[in-house]
Order: sequence, then C-alpha cells, then structure tokens
Amino acid sequence: EAQVTQNPRYLITVTGKKLTVTCSQNMNHEYMSWYRQDPGLGLRQIYYSMNVEVTDKGDVPEGYKVSRKEKRNFPLILESPSPNQTSLYFCASSPGQPFGEEQYFGPGTRLTVT
Amino acid sequence: QQPVQSPQAVILREGEDAVINCSSSKALYSVHWYRQKHGEAPIFLMILLKGGEQKGHDKISASFNEKKQQSSLYLTASQLSYSGTYFCGTELPFSNYQLIWGAGTKLIIKP
Repeated sequence: EAQVTQNPRYLITVTGKKLTVTCSQNMNHEYMSWYRQDPGLGLRQIYYSMNVEVTDKGDVPEGYKVSRKEKRNFPLILESPSPNQTSLYFCASSPGQPFGEEQYFGPGTRLTVT
Repeated sequence: QQPVQSPQAVILREGEDAVINCSSSKALYSVHWYRQKHGEAPIFLMILLKGGEQKGHDKISASFNEKKQQSSLYLTASQLSYSGTYFCGTELPFSNYQLIWGAGTKLIIKP
C-alpha cells in the first residue's frame, strides 16, 4: 500500500530533551516536506526537500533540523524542544514539486512539550 | 502572505450547496485544495494551475481566477461525508516550490 508513515504518533516530552520524529514514504517520491498545524493557523511549512541531500527552509524552521540521506526517509529533529513547539506535525510527500502534484500526508504526530 | 479563506465556518443541511473561497494578495502559480477530518491527515481534493489545467476528483469542482488571485471550491448537493475543514494551499511563482496555506474553512453538514 502506498503510504507515508510517521513515528511516533503521540509524544509527550520535557523541555530540552532532544527528539526525532521519523517520516518514511514507499512511493519513490522526490519531494518531502514537514508541516506543523496549530489551531487557527492552518498548515505551516517547516522544511522541505527536493531530493536526497537537498533540503531548504520553509516558513517556520527555527528550532528544527532535518536530513535527507535516503530518498524514502525525512526525519524531523528537535534538538532542544520548547513548549511553543507543542503542535500537530505532518510529513508529506509528492512525486515532484508541489505545483501540479498531489501531496500525500502522513497520519500526523501530536507532540506535547512540557 | 497567507491566503485568506472565507467563510471561516459554514453549517449546511445535507443536500445544500456551499462555496469556499481562497484569496491571495499575490499572483499565484497554482492553488491546491485539501479536506481534513478532525485529527486526521489532509486529503487531496484538487489542484488548479495557472493556464487552466485542473487535476482532481470528478465530484468536486473549483475555479481559479488568475487576475483576481482567487480560487473557489464548489460543493454541490452536500453529503454528511463532506464535513471537515477545507484548506487551500497557494503556490507563488518563483517560490521555490513552497505552498502557503490558508487558515481553513470548517464545514458542518447536518442531516
């Protein structure tokens, strides 16, 4: 089944404790992206990747890191999480660039930082 | 830079029609529409490209007015399954493939 998977689905952590949210897709998509979703603000892009070893900042990259060592994986790293990073996070992938292409979203990761 | 969606929320009876609008202050290359059920991932509905090309589901219709920098999503004869929050994502020319999303329109369908 073609899908984007994220792990963990739910995470409660404390301020400053490094964490990684994994994202994997099995569709051989070139483009992958991370979003955060907060009430009333819609989806905001954190980072995106055009292909292996090519990543770029989205609208809200502060406090996050990403890497794209393999085409299928695009982990999101929070080196020192803070309470304002409490949010619902989505990973997405598409065959090429977003224009003209459907994005496939993962199931989401609900992160709470206390 | 975030596109403005209107209305913010709408309540319909099953079978009624709805129009959701997405307006940008900048010229657009494409507009993407997605629907999200509470707590779930957004699901693709439609893409409208500059020049008139459209990709999407047969039962969903939408328009893209490039000059007005606006797009509208038309939901006709609404069904209970149409309930959810609708988001438009806009892509600007030369934006390096970024999508900027609206805040969403919440649609509630009552039987």
